[in-house]
Amino acid sequence: DAGVIQSPRHEVTEMGQEVTLRCKPISGHNSLFWYRQTMMRGLELLIYFNNNVPIDDSGMPEDRFSAKMPNASFSTLKIQPSEPRDSAVYFCASSTSSGYAKNIQYFGAGTRLSVL
Amino acid sequence: SQQGEEDPQALSIQEGENATMNCSYKTSINNLQWYRQNSGRGLVHLILIRSNEREKHSGRLRVTLDTSKKSSSLLITASRAADTASYFCATAEEGAQKLVFGQGTRLTINP
Repeated sequence: DAGVIQSPRHEVTEMGQEVTLRCKPISGHNSLFWYRQTMMRGLELLIYFNNNVPIDDSGMPEDRFSAKMPNASFSTLKIQPSEPRDSAVYFCASSTSSGYAKNIQYFGAGTRLSVL
Repeated sequence: SQQGEEDPQALSIQEGENATMNCSYKTSINNLQWYRQNSGRGLVHLILIRSNEREKHSGRLRVTLDTSKKSSSLLITASRAADTASYFCATAEEGAQKLVFGQGTRLTINP
């Protein structure tokens, strides 16, 4: 398996623009997680899905952030409008919710977002 | 919010020495995991220890868990330059799918 695939790897945009981050989880995994990592706040869970349904979005900073999972193999995280304080590395991770490997998360390489 | 607190925040040792990192957490857990993150990369799972286990080994890694003290330690023996990375503990509560990550320990192995 190719692992969790995120795109783009790097994104530079101007304040006010819409940003869409994409994630393809590992085939067969039914849980998907979006994280944000900054030096100041460390690794923060933004939202997670189980079987394509959002379970916990309490980490989403504000209404400018939204996430969707239209099917088991694709998820998006959208920021609209973007602000400089959104600059961070955004990670997607996936896991299975059953068996011995339950709870073990596999991370993508991340998207480094810079909002100017 | 971060549940785990890791100690130390940064550790620098000579190649060949052992490295020990500690993690404390606040709630009852189903399991505790350790992850490694190399600079510019995603986190990689290293080892999982369940709440009914006290010690686990994987290669040069040794993890202990003390649920009465709500703490865990990760020992890396015979360190190598390639072990330079940040190490995170993460806890899963009973029945929960999500993990709560600590702030991480930045480990530097000097040649």
